Amino acid sequence: EDQVTQSPEALRLQEGESSSLNCSYTVSGLRGLFWYRQDPGKGPEFLFTLYSAGEEKEKERLKATLTKKESFLHITAPKPEDSATYLCAVHPDTGRRALTFGSGTRLQVQP
Amino acid sequence: DTGVSQDPRHKITKRGQNVTFRCDPISEHNRLYWYRQTLGQGPEFLTYFQNEAQLEKSRLLSDRFSAERPKGSFSTLEIQRTEQGDSAMYLCASSFPSSSGDSYEQYFGPGTRLTVT
Repeated sequence: EDQVTQSPEALRLQEGESSSLNCSYTVSGLRGLFWYRQDPGKGPEFLFTLYSAGEEKEKERLKATLTKKESFLHITAPKPEDSATYLCAVHPDTGRRALTFGSGTRLQVQP
Repeated sequence: DTGVSQDPRHKITKRGQNVTFRCDPISEHNRLYWYRQTLGQGPEFLTYFQNEAQLEKSRLLSDRFSAERPKGSFSTLEIQRTEQGDSAMYLCASSFPSSSGDSYEQYFGPGTRLTVT
């Protein structure tokens, strides 16, 4: 069974304090790994797709990386507006379309 | 591109009542997904449509749940005889294959929050 584990569950940073969020996954073949941002009471907002180990994607203060067993979301010099829950999801290479999500990391960036 | 829309945004119902939610995907997205999310958890897959065909159903989708996408555009999710355990955020997402092949980015709507009292 596909599993996605995100750590830490919650993270509090000071503005400008860089850090990384972890997503460990177990799947029978990976078609894609996705990062989403979710604000309270809203739907997830797509950030990145990673397809193969060694791949990296960047957007503003965020950079996502992928290995064969985990992905990291690096946040450089975060701002308070980066506060949100960050979700990781995997698409297994089984022909199915369903994504399996982790429980997310709740990030709070204090000014 | 107006994004995925869902209606209603909030629904409060009494146990035992039936409820129906609507999802309008991004125009020309042929794939549509329903997920359920409870507090502190990630979304859980419920069902998937490609055009009007329902191709995947999760075991979470009990007999009380039914979803349709009659003309391959909007979709409805109905829950019959609601139970308190059905209280959750119901999310709809859509996707479309990219020109380079299959693209799996799913774009989510704002969700419908269901409260069963």
